[in-house]
Amino acid sequence: GQNIDQPTEMTATEGAIVQINCTYQTSGFNGLFWYQQHAGEAPTFLSYNVLDGLEEKGRFSSFLSRSKGYSYLLLKELQMKDSASYLCAPMDSNYQLIWGAGTKLIIKP
Amino acid sequence: GAVVSQHPSRVICKSGTSVKIECRSLDFQATTMFWYRQFPKQSLMLMATSNEGSKATYEQGVEKDKFLINHASLTLSTLTVTSAHPEDSSFYICSARSPSTSDDYEQYFGPGTRLTVT
Repeated sequence: GQNIDQPTEMTATEGAIVQINCTYQTSGFNGLFWYQQHAGEAPTFLSYNVLDGLEEKGRFSSFLSRSKGYSYLLLKELQMKDSASYLCAPMDSNYQLIWGAGTKLIIKP
Repeated sequence: GAVVSQHPSRVICKSGTSVKIECRSLDFQATTMFWYRQFPKQSLMLMATSNEGSKATYEQGVEKDKFLINHASLTLSTLTVTSAHPEDSSFYICSARSPSTSDDYEQYFGPGTRLTVT
């Protein structure tokens, strides 16, 4: 079957760095997306990895290891507005996104 | 670019009535649109996938006669919740995808519609 595993909740301090891990199992693989979702709002795109390695985009970076079925999202210089849920969504062989419940990130002053 | 709008943003309706939600891609042609439902503190649940000009493909457990989807043009898809009941109260989100955009398989999400059935 298809499965996404992310921590349910994480807490970090403003200004710090946090890494959100994601392991996945899918029927085929065509890349992996990370989305941010604030409470009561729709998801917004953060990153897309299709090859192994690290993709850096400002304060956010995303890493992928296809052989390990593993990805992480790294958030630097945390700000209060980064408090949100972070969704790891791999794309299967049919180009469908597989969604987990996401990781709720709480930022404390 | 790649903006998706949804209307209405919030709707309250009485049990037994029908509600139509519109999803529009404003600056690109969406060959594929997706409809999701999300209950509080739960993951996005894909309800159906629709391609312009063809019938929607519904996920297992989603009643196609209750959730009518029409994707009549490359910029508009509609979801009609027929004979709504309180258990249909949820956050409905659409997304659109077009291979012509820079990230071919990225889904661009609308802002969502909060449906409350009383």
